Amino acid sequence: EPEVTQTPSHQVTQMGQEVILRCVPISNHLYFYWYRQILGQKVEFLVSFYNNEISEKSEIFDDQFSVERPDGSNFTLKIRSTKLEDSAMYFCASSMAGGSADTQYFGPGTRLTVL
Amino acid sequence: AQTVTQSQPEMSVQEAETVTLSCTYDTSESNYYLFWYKQPPSRQMILVIRQEAYKQQNATENRFSVNFQKAAKSFSLKISDSQLGDTAMYFCAFMKRLVPGAQKLVFGQGTRLTINP
Repeated sequence: EPEVTQTPSHQVTQMGQEVILRCVPISNHLYFYWYRQILGQKVEFLVSFYNNEISEKSEIFDDQFSVERPDGSNFTLKIRSTKLEDSAMYFCASSMAGGSADTQYFGPGTRLTVL
Repeated sequence: AQTVTQSQPEMSVQEAETVTLSCTYDTSESNYYLFWYKQPPSRQMILVIRQEAYKQQNATENRFSVNFQKAAKSFSLKISDSQLGDTAMYFCAFMKRLVPGAQKLVFGQGTRLTINP
């Protein structure tokens, strides 16, 4: 069964450094998402991406964040200058186009630790 | 804005028992989707079951079923014959589809379910 994959599984970085989290969505999906989950809290929406542009973003997704689909398979989340409060689990998800196929399938997550 | 409330932070049952997790949501929309996701200790988010709001019939997936009460804005998950592997955090989520691509899931706070041997 096809699945969403994410790398790395755990990333440790120093405050102020740039990090890139990578995701490979399910191959025939067209919609891509990033969510984050701070330890012990609920999962929060960051951004949705379709047709090579951001379709919606939350207030969390400020100028320090960017997303990109550099080729036909990868979907990346870049944090330009990490802060301590960026420490969280980051989940990538993907879904097919509309109708009854709106279910979002999640990857296993990347645990980001900012020191 | 849509909100999702899970009023049970933690639940614990014995193996083989039936357990029901509650979820309520608030929305003015008439067309939407509801989901239950499971997050085991590995922290991966796994889809358990989904329900389309326009469908009156409650969704079922093997041992998992929902009780969807649209007027009451309630969406509970029933797990029958619970197994040790069902131990996980369970999140209820609401999804509204806006324009193509502008979809997002709004999650509840989660219920930590422990199945005891």
